[in-house]
Amino acid sequence: GENVEQHPSTLSVQEGDSAVIKCTYSDSASNYFPWYKQELGKRPQLIIDIRSNVGEKKDQRIAVTLNKTAKHFSLHITETQPEDSAVYFCAAIQDSWGKLQFGAGTQVVVTP
Amino acid sequence: EAQVTQNPRYLITVTGKKLTVTCSQNMNHEYMSWYRQDPGLGLRQIYYSMNVEVTDKGDVPEGYKVSRKEKRNFPLILESPSPNQTSLYFCASSSGTSGVTDTQYFGPGTRLTVL
Repeated sequence: GENVEQHPSTLSVQEGDSAVIKCTYSDSASNYFPWYKQELGKRPQLIIDIRSNVGEKKDQRIAVTLNKTAKHFSLHITETQPEDSAVYFCAAIQDSWGKLQFGAGTQVVVTP
Repeated sequence: EAQVTQNPRYLITVTGKKLTVTCSQNMNHEYMSWYRQDPGLGLRQIYYSMNVEVTDKGDVPEGYKVSRKEKRNFPLILESPSPNQTSLYFCASSSGTSGVTDTQYFGPGTRLTVL
C-alpha cells in the first residue's frame, strides 16, 4: 500500500521568510496530492491540492510542486505570516474512491 | 449551512463499554471517512464509505465498526473500547462526483478517552 513520509516534523521561520515542507510517496500510481492545514484545536482544512497531470499549482502565497519521477511533492509558503502557524499534512491517493494516506504532519511556527 | 457534525465532542469511558460516535453531513456527499489523530502519527484512516451500504477498511480498522445505512450518516462503533483507542477522531465527507479528490470537509472532532 501507499506510504507517505513528511519532513521536517517541525519548522520555525521568521515572519516574511519562506517555508517549504516535503513529502515523498511510495506508490507510483498515486495521482492526487492534497495539503491540509490544522490550526491548534481546530479541524483540518484543505488549502491546496495537485493532480498528477500538472507539475505546479499556486494559490496566492502557497504553491505545491510535484515531481512524479522522484515521487515527491512539496508545499511552499512565501512571505509567511503569524497566521500561517499550524500543523500541515500532506496526503496521497491512487483511487479517488479508495484510501487516503496522510503524512505525519509538520508543525510550522512563524515568529514575528 | 454546509457542515459535518459529530457527537459527542468529548467522551470519557471505561474499557469494554460499547460506544457510538455519530457523524452526519448535510451536503449530500457520497464519500465519507473516519480518521484518528495521534501525536506524531498524523491522521490515519479507519474506515471509509463510497456510498450507502458500501464501506471498506482504512489503515487502522481493528477494533472499530461502521455502517452506512443512509447517505448523510456514518457512525463509528467501538464494540469493546480499549485504552489504545484513546484518540482524537475526525469524520469527513467529500462531494459525490470524484470521491475523496473533491474537497474533503472535516467534522469538529471527538476526543475520546478510554480508561
